[in-house]
Amino acid sequence: SAVISQKPSRDICQRGTSLTIQCQVDSQVTMMFWYRQQPGQSLTLIATANQGSEATYESGFVIDKFPISRPNLTFSTLTVSNMSPEDSSIYLCSVDDTGANVLTFGAGSRLTVL
Amino acid sequence: SQKIEQNSEALNIQEGKTATLTCNYTNYSPAYLQWYRQDPGRGPVFLLLIRENEKEKRKERLKVTFDTTLKQSLFHITASQPADSATYLCALDPSGTGNQFYFGTGTSLTVIP
Repeated sequence: SAVISQKPSRDICQRGTSLTIQCQVDSQVTMMFWYRQQPGQSLTLIATANQGSEATYESGFVIDKFPISRPNLTFSTLTVSNMSPEDSSIYLCSVDDTGANVLTFGAGSRLTVL
Repeated sequence: SQKIEQNSEALNIQEGKTATLTCNYTNYSPAYLQWYRQDPGRGPVFLLLIRENEKEKRKERLKVTFDTTLKQSLFHITASQPADSATYLCALDPSGTGNQFYFGTGTSLTVIP
């Protein structure tokens, strides 16, 4: 399965700032998925990103708050904008690299907002 | 509303016993359902996928069942070991197209030596 690298692995940010999380995959994939995992909680899908098109956001998530870029088939970024303490979470990138409808995940980016 | 609920937040069992985890969903009709394992500080790792026309799927000590009438999947770990301690998540793809994957609430399993 694919190897996914996320940067940063963790960060501490100030309220009101923005942070961009990078997701690099070692193979070309059509779709990339961004999830949020709040402390002690399960995974919530933020958006699905296809190369060359606008990301598709889930209910409760908007592009102004979580802009996503997908410039090529191996890379995506998620920005968390105008952060508040409620944005403190682990953000996970995932892909279906086999076409078998099975997800492979990165290790996640742990974000703490003070 | 659409929900994917797993039976309990935490489950403790003795080593050697069978752990049974439950995943119940409402307002979905998924073509397949998946189970993942998540260890602290890591992303989930895929374990098993079961399709709607499959009643049971096995992989080594793992067994999954899928009852589309009850809208329920059961995940069993037989002869459990302390190394099986982790959080287990069920997930489904509502449209069957591979465009969205929604996860259940998760069950934290602890196997006591």
